[in-house]
Amino acid sequence: QSVLTQPPSAAGTPGQRVTISCSGSGSNIGSNYVSWYQQLPGTAPKLLIYRNYQRPSGVPDRFSGSKSGTSASLAISGLRSEDEADYYCASWDDSLSGFVIFGGGTKLIVL
Amino acid sequence: QVQLQESGPGLVKSSQTLSLTCTVSGGSISNPDYYWSWVRQHPGKGLEWIGYIYYSGTTYYNPSLKSRVTISVDTSKNQFSLKVSSLTVADTAMYYCARGAFDVGMDVWGQGTTVTASS
Repeated sequence: QSVLTQPPSAAGTPGQRVTISCSGSGSNIGSNYVSWYQQLPGTAPKLLIYRNYQRPSGVPDRFSGSKSGTSASLAISGLRSEDEADYYCASWDDSLSGFVIFGGGTKLIVL
Repeated sequence: QVQLQESGPGLVKSSQTLSLTCTVSGGSISNPDYYWSWVRQHPGKGLEWIGYIYYSGTTYYNPSLKSRVTISVDTSKNQFSLKVSSLTVADTAMYYCARGAFDVGMDVWGQGTTVTASS
């Protein structure tokens, strides 16, 4: 059902900067905030970014978010091995009665 | 510090109804700043939002699951619950409960509970 499109995988070496894209439409990203979640292997998701670019307390400033039109991006700078995880974007969708939609997820591999 | 804990049967027969409960500790489920969600994840797959409930009882559901899902809240027990009817093997997944804030997203998650729907 994902109407938020993410690349299935991304990769980088330690210290590099990587970006993960999230493409939606006017009914979701185009008119609502985007949040990002990090899911380490075998654990519950963790809120990483909210309101497009805000970081919850405790999230390193190596993680940053942005949004433009109907697309959003998550950037991770100074890549570390512990960043290897699945990353999901999410937004509210105004169609039908309204619902939360997640992207399909991007597996980040640290080479 | 708010914590969430899912509970319920790990194995349910197909065609039956799955019932899960999420117990909230360290905070009140009646706090008007938050809503209370269920999210599931099929084995090896991505996250799927099931729905959420506000303390007042207002609910929102995933349109693809709406006909089979009911979320309820018990403020006296500081719990909220999920029922999924007419279970099939396709409902086999890890089920998470989570706290959400409007325009923020889901900021506190339970550890998840694995549900297997047997044929």
